Amino acid sequence: NAGVTQTPKFQVLKTGQSMTLQCAQDMNHEYMSWYRQDPGMGLRLIHYSVGAGITDQGEVPNGYNVSRSTTEDFPLRLLSAAPSQTSVYFCASSLTAAPYEQYFGPGTRLTVT
Amino acid sequence: AQSVTQLGSHVSVSEGALVLLRCNYSSSVPPYLFWYVQYPNQGLQLLLKYTSAATLVKGINGFEAEFKKSETSFHLTKPSAHMSDAAEYFCAVTTSGTYKYIFGTGTRLKVLA
Repeated sequence: NAGVTQTPKFQVLKTGQSMTLQCAQDMNHEYMSWYRQDPGMGLRLIHYSVGAGITDQGEVPNGYNVSRSTTEDFPLRLLSAAPSQTSVYFCASSLTAAPYEQYFGPGTRLTVT
Repeated sequence: AQSVTQLGSHVSVSEGALVLLRCNYSSSVPPYLFWYVQYPNQGLQLLLKYTSAATLVKGINGFEAEFKKSETSFHLTKPSAHMSDAAEYFCAVTTSGTYKYIFGTGTRLKVLA
């Protein structure tokens, strides 16, 4: 099992550019989510999915888009990058709803100039 | 709604000393509680979780936490700190059947030689 994988590990974008952060899991997990981690703010939920074809907004969804066409993949799209989106992004998955724990990917460090 | 408060964004202990990282939660229904550890430039790893069985929960690497409903606390302890424990620690809360996990802002543990 590779667990939760994320690509790329690092990315630099210019303001206004768009890009997709990739996330995949091979554990047949139902639930997948995207967080951003900023200093002193912990992890904040961007979007989540409870199964293929089902997504919902988290705490900080503006400027991001997601889709889930398969159980394995949950890409995060930045529509028009802004410096405020400079952050470390983590994808996570869990088998199903609580009390199952989440498994995290290694993260993508994004800088928007 | 749930929330988590981690007291102390930075904690320093000497090698061999007791580690105590504080987490207080708020939840209107019985909570599930988690502690995660994040080593530099890595994703989060589960240390331990409370799911309403035993109130004293033992995790990996010698860590344990005690659920105290009367104090709404779930503090993380380790009797003797090791240099390899230096990392950031996150407390998280969720409730049964939900997919939303609320994370604290994290506590960075420094271990002094």
